Amino acid sequence: GAVVSQHPSRVICKSGTSVKIECRSLDFQATTMFWYRQFPKQSLMLMATSNEGSKATYEQGVEKDKFLINHASLTLSTLTVTSAHPEDSSFYICSASAGTATSTDTQYFGPGTRLTVL
Amino acid sequence: AQSVTQLGSHVSVSEGALVLLRCNYSSSVPPYLFWYVQYPNQGLQLLLKYTSAATLVKGINGFEAEFKKSETSFHLTKPSAHMSDAAEYFCAVSWYGGSQGNLIFGKGTKLSVKP
Repeated sequence: GAVVSQHPSRVICKSGTSVKIECRSLDFQATTMFWYRQFPKQSLMLMATSNEGSKATYEQGVEKDKFLINHASLTLSTLTVTSAHPEDSSFYICSASAGTATSTDTQYFGPGTRLTVL
Repeated sequence: AQSVTQLGSHVSVSEGALVLLRCNYSSSVPPYLFWYVQYPNQGLQLLLKYTSAATLVKGINGFEAEFKKSETSFHLTKPSAHMSDAAEYFCAVSWYGGSQGNLIFGKGTKLSVKP
């Protein structure tokens, strides 16, 4: 099956710093990539949807200036948490799809990135 | 608002026993339904999905799920549990043409399998 990787798998940073998380589709072209956030014992919450070469679409309540998303190519999307604070500590998961955001193509998920902000 | 409910955050079964993980959704429009499995430190893997074809869907690893519109349910079953089935399972729904095909997840059910 299709493989999606995330880097880093775990990151610890100081409050006020910025952290970049990469999401790569290794063996297919991802027209659409999704970024999710998962709190302990909670479900995955969609943060934003990104399409290659265009601006990301953010879900209600997600600050686009804080969570910068760049989908620079068909195999790479990055999420940058700017000026991170302890409340941003969470598990961030990306997924990639060869379809559009309105299609029902399977989303392939990355292994997630555990962010801890001290 | 659309939502997905997974009954039971933790289910424990004996090896060889029936596995039943429950999922209910709230919607007046039939959605697309998915079950994902997440092993420790790994990404979510699609087990099966329902997209308005046959109501009984067979997936990987011997799992299957049945879409019951009258009950707004999509429960996941496996006749005989194996130790390797121990993982976290997520039910998810998507409404085509609604929220851009985005997935809405349940909170997950952790399955433990006792020897």
